[in-house]
Amino acid sequence: DSGVTQTPKHLITATGQRVTLRCSPRSGDLSVYWYQQSLDQGLQFLIQYYNGEERAKGNILERFSAQQFPDLHSELNLSSLELGDSALYFCASNLRGSSYNEQFFGPGTRLTVL
Amino acid sequence: AQSVAQPEDQVNVAEGNPLTVKCTYSVSGNPYLFWYVQYPNRGLQFLLKYITGDNLVKGSYGFEAEFNKSQTSFHLKKPSALVSDSALYFCAVRDDSGAGSYQLTFGKGTKLSVIP
Repeated sequence: DSGVTQTPKHLITATGQRVTLRCSPRSGDLSVYWYQQSLDQGLQFLIQYYNGEERAKGNILERFSAQQFPDLHSELNLSSLELGDSALYFCASNLRGSSYNEQFFGPGTRLTVL
Repeated sequence: AQSVAQPEDQVNVAEGNPLTVKCTYSVSGNPYLFWYVQYPNRGLQFLLKYITGDNLVKGSYGFEAEFNKSQTSFHLKKPSALVSDSALYFCAVRDDSGAGSYQLTFGKGTKLSVIP
């Protein structure tokens, strides 16, 4: 158990809908990262937050957004969903967001868009 | 841009034999390298990392990795494979693309199958 929790574990929805994925980092970790894992694209970085502030953006679509709250949990919002958004979404956290520190991954949320 | 290549989609090895999962990288500065393992329907688990120092890095579950700067490689190894090592292995490199951003760039993954 990495100490990172994600809810829900599974999510099934329809095209055009909006969903919210939630992540709670390890106790004490200030940095949260979101990744998308799909068969065709592999593991891709989406976005990073550090202590409530957006730190970096990767291959995140404009239909997707995220935020980190004062208690450090983070939410990833996916809107106008398309079939191609079906994937496993991971969040990870590490202490101070340092490059020296490994990231600890949650169990993921499997999103299925029908 | 930084990148990681895992040239083998799948590696098969007999139980008890040594295993190697290959990884090569491309970075503009100093490489910070990581190995993760993913079991079915699970998140990624950290195995080991290379930041600086000894080229041979030891990690969890008996795994080790050898950093080779001249060959830009960071191969994962284990002296004696177990059936329980069967999983998907990812090599990753730190991507320093901005002010304090340290997201990881992952390889495509290598599926390791250990045959009893």
